[in-house]
Amino acid sequence: TQLLKQSPQFLSIQEGENLTVYCNSSSVFSSLQWYRQEPGEGPVLLVTVVTGGEVKKLKRLTFQFGDARKDSSLHITAAQTGDTGLYLCAGARPGAGNMLTFGGGTRLMVKP
Amino acid sequence: DVKVTQSSRYLVKRTGEKVFLECVQDMDHENMFWYRQDPGLGLRLIYFSYDVKMKEKGDIPEGYSVSREKKERFSLILESASTNQTSMYLCASRTPQGGDTQYFGPGTRLTVL
Repeated sequence: TQLLKQSPQFLSIQEGENLTVYCNSSSVFSSLQWYRQEPGEGPVLLVTVVTGGEVKKLKRLTFQFGDARKDSSLHITAAQTGDTGLYLCAGARPGAGNMLTFGGGTRLMVKP
Repeated sequence: DVKVTQSSRYLVKRTGEKVFLECVQDMDHENMFWYRQDPGLGLRLIYFSYDVKMKEKGDIPEGYSVSREKKERFSLILESASTNQTSMYLCASRTPQGGDTQYFGPGTRLTVL
């Protein structure tokens, strides 16, 4: 059973469009991280959100942590072809040494 | 610059073979992890190690074992490889002083025939 549900699983959009990826759980996390993975590489950390309601921006990417620290979203404005990749959310489980539980991933394809 | 390396990028083995996957980190991190990644399932934790000589089972340890004789090296062992262990294997490390951030290697794509 996956503790973290990520949606959508696949997303194919045109360059310039906006998109949102969701990461939902019934569990509370001490922090939530978003990673991006390119083909043939390991995941690379984009951002960590820690406080309920926290919003962080990374250029055209906006990350939000839910007030109850159970869910998160990633919004990309004016997507570019360089945004193509696999996006993974991961929640740190309190009481379990902050081990990370990963969502299933969202494979994003941005077409020119 | 942080660096996690894995011994092989691609590996093909036969059913029943013993398989060793090696991971080395140069950041003096205490914690190291082995995950497998399958489409739609994200990353699932196989084993982790808090420090040298220490190991803990993750969520899916069956069919795997690990070894951590030196701080920088964490090995994953498939005692008798089976076809359902065909997957991408990712190693990661972190330091408790660095929060929850994990640094990943490039992965080993293992195919068991």
